[in-house]
Amino acid sequence: GAVVSQHPSRVICKSGTSVKIECRSLDFQATTMFWYRQFPKQSLMLMATSNEGSKATYEQGVEKDKFLINHASLTLSTLTVTSAHPEDSSFYICSARDSRTGYNEQFFGPGTRLTVL
Amino acid sequence: GQNIDQPTEMTATEGAIVQINCTYQTSGFNGLFWYQQHAGEAPTFLSYNVLDGLEEKGRFSSFLSRSKGYSYLLLKELQMKDSASYLCAVMDSNYQLIWGAGTKLIIKP
Repeated sequence: GAVVSQHPSRVICKSGTSVKIECRSLDFQATTMFWYRQFPKQSLMLMATSNEGSKATYEQGVEKDKFLINHASLTLSTLTVTSAHPEDSSFYICSARDSRTGYNEQFFGPGTRLTVL
Repeated sequence: GQNIDQPTEMTATEGAIVQINCTYQTSGFNGLFWYQQHAGEAPTFLSYNVLDGLEEKGRFSSFLSRSKGYSYLLLKELQMKDSASYLCAVMDSNYQLIWGAGTKLIIKP
């Protein structure tokens, strides 16, 4: 099956620093990757859609200058949280779409727990 | 607007059957997904329905009625490990997933 990895799984940082999260599709080519954020006891919230080789499409209310997304290859997308603040603490999950399947299923990475002190 | 509704929380007994309902109103329809999410973990795929009817996969089954904008996930022979949140998501006309808030399922011995 399709596997998506995320690194790091957990990160604690000081307020004002930047944090980079990597999302990799290990055994398939992902033309599209998605970045989600999930606060405790809430559902997934789509932050942005990342297409390989082009700029990411951000959802309304998501600051593109704060959440930098780079999808440089068909197997790697990165999310950089710039100048992180405590309110950015959340569970960040990426998913990747395998264009080989017939119904555009998204495969999820294991998530990254970000804590900003 | 687009909307996915599912119950916030359900409780069931080990060994029993539980049905989790999902109703939706979206801009277009390209399939409905059910995902399972354990606390602190990412969602894992359970099922996909794009045509009306019942899809059975082991202890889990998923049903879809497009005319009614309705789906349910049926879990049989409940096990303690089935305690998790179950997320209903619809793929709209832009192939974006619209997520429900999830149903927290609590299994009691």
